[in-house]
Amino acid sequence: EVQLVESGGGLVKPGGSLRLSCAASGFTFSSYSMNWVRQAPGKGLEWVSSISSSSSYIYYADSVKGRFTISRDNAKNSLYLQMNSLRAEDTAVYYCARKIMGAIDYWGQGTLVTVSS
Amino acid sequence: DIQMTQSPSSVSASVGDRVTITCRASQGISSWLAWYQQKPGKAPKLLIYAASSLQSGVPSRFSGSGSGTDFTLTISSLQPEDFATYYCQQANSFPPLTFGGGTKVEI
Repeated sequence: EVQLVESGGGLVKPGGSLRLSCAASGFTFSSYSMNWVRQAPGKGLEWVSSISSSSSYIYYADSVKGRFTISRDNAKNSLYLQMNSLRAEDTAVYYCARKIMGAIDYWGQGTLVTVSS
Repeated sequence: DIQMTQSPSSVSASVGDRVTITCRASQGISSWLAWYQQKPGKAPKLLIYAASSLQSGVPSRFSGSGSGTDFTLTISSLQPEDFATYYCQQANSFPPLTFGGGTKVEI
């Protein structure tokens, strides 16, 4: 059974940093592109970042470029999102997500990040 | 970036109704379109990929159609568990992945 379990969310002050982790199991992690998608309270879905299976290709949404860094450790079946210079508008549930053939077929349960003073 | 516009933003329906949701892309995306269902407090769930392919385990009352710029998600006979918010998403022009604004299906 495919499982994606996020951790690392919490309350942080504006300008602060946070590192999210996603532990993957039930599939060959090193074979898949992985993504972070977020959802602000009461709002729609927003793609944040993507990393290819071997970390050769990395992409970011314009809204987080230069502040967030995605990475992965295939030996540990783990995905990460380092978030710096956090803003109030980064407040959201962050989902770890597996992408295949253009669609996200598995999502984690999400971790809430709240940026507030 | 390609913009995805869903309509309607909400729809009131009853059990047994046929419900159709539309998604329009700001430029052609071939068949690179997916549909998701999301219930409150839960992660989205993939229903349809490649515009019309049913994800494994998804009931056959869900169907998708379209190509190019205009797409539809149809629920042939609405069930109580189908009351949720539905999102479309394009992957033809990546990055970014872009989602529609959502359609809430309610009683």
